[in-house]
Amino acid sequence: ETGVTQSPTHLIKTRGQQVTLRCSSQSGHNTVSWYQQALGQGPQFIFQYYREEENGRGNFPPRFSGLQFPNYSSELNVNALELDDSALYLCASSNPTSGGAGGETQYFGPGTRLTVL
Amino acid sequence: QKEVEQDPGPLSVPEGAIVSLNCTYSNSAFQYFMWYRQYSRKGPELLMYTYSSGNKEDGRFTAQVDKSSKYISLFIRDSQPSDSATYLCAMETGGFKTIFGAGTRLFVKA
Repeated sequence: ETGVTQSPTHLIKTRGQQVTLRCSSQSGHNTVSWYQQALGQGPQFIFQYYREEENGRGNFPPRFSGLQFPNYSSELNVNALELDDSALYLCASSNPTSGGAGGETQYFGPGTRLTVL
Repeated sequence: QKEVEQDPGPLSVPEGAIVSLNCTYSNSAFQYFMWYRQYSRKGPELLMYTYSSGNKEDGRFTAQVDKSSKYISLFIRDSQPSDSATYLCAMETGGFKTIFGAGTRLFVKA
């Protein structure tokens, strides 16, 4: 087990609603990244948080937002849900030792399966 | 054109076969190359990590990176039914953003 946990496991929402997904990082990890994985596709980077600040963002609209808390747990919020938001949402924690220069091992949680009807 | 191209398969092999998985990429700035394994209903798990060009071996797994051809490979020797999973290649330039391939589904038949 990687120690990264996510909740809930599954979620069903309707179009236009808002959703909050939660992630608890592996102990000692101060960086969390969120990914969206559509069926049959690889994970797509949404954003990363490092010590409670957004550290970088992928090509996702502003209705995807996040938070990281002092204990390094994290939330992903999605507003105005669309049908295409149906996917597996993964969080991954890491503990950069190189100032964020890259290549740090990421530990993934099991994901939250979101279905938008 | 996607930054990282990976054949989705599926790839079906008999137990004991050597499996070859590969990805091509277009961004010459990629420096870090990873292979992840993802079982059904689970998150990806890091298998191999390579910095820049070269080979790396870990047990039955060998990762190769050829930056001149923008081509990376993962070889699995003596494949087992428990190796049946989706294999994702991933790359980074250095920084925060990891780019994944679409994943190749592998089935190893007993």
